[in-house]
Amino acid sequence: DVKVTQSSRYLVKRTGEKVFLECVQDMDHENMFWYRQDPGLGLRLIYFSYDVKMKEKGDIPEGYSVSREKKERFSLILESASTNQTSMYLCASSSGLSGYTFGSGTRLTVV
Amino acid sequence: GENVEQHPSTLSVQEGDSAVIKCTYSDSASNYFPWYKQELGKRPQLIIDIRSNVGEKKDQRIAVTLNKTAKHFSLHITETQPEDSAVYFCAASDLNSGYSTLTFGKGTMLLVSP
Repeated sequence: DVKVTQSSRYLVKRTGEKVFLECVQDMDHENMFWYRQDPGLGLRLIYFSYDVKMKEKGDIPEGYSVSREKKERFSLILESASTNQTSMYLCASSSGLSGYTFGSGTRLTVV
Repeated sequence: GENVEQHPSTLSVQEGDSAVIKCTYSDSASNYFPWYKQELGKRPQLIIDIRSNVGEKKDQRIAVTLNKTAKHFSLHITETQPEDSAVYFCAASDLNSGYSTLTFGKGTMLLVSP
């Protein structure tokens, strides 16, 4: 019954590494999103995509990029991981007519 | 852009009491207001939503009210149970914008004591 799948639940990476977080949805949704969740700060939008190969910056895009080569897959890329990117990353998708369906999240630790 | 404020940040109640969480938004174009529940270690899940053409919506023990004039909306949980303990997020969006990004409040941790 899982509809939005994030490839890893936990990741530990070293400072300076290039990190890929993968998200796949099986609901044929047009819109996909990446948020990061930090205590006391809620969910903050990093990037989103409303179509294949399309992407838009959210509120905190610095240090991140995204890729959407297929409708069902939306990848978040940390070009050079830093310790301040240690966080919970949540992927979501929507049809644009209602709320999101979230993935289970990836807890990334950068050491 | 949209800004959503959520209060309180933590809320402790006794089992059987009611709980109310309040949110305000800034963008008068917002017309969709969902609420998410996130249990510890789990993904946020949609529990109820309301659109701007409706003032109140109820689903069993939970209800949401919307005051468009004042730009605030609230989540009401009656007869709280320990399994209601979670973090609750409100959000706002303009579904006419084409992108429909949600702006979230910072969350309310609800603790229901037996």
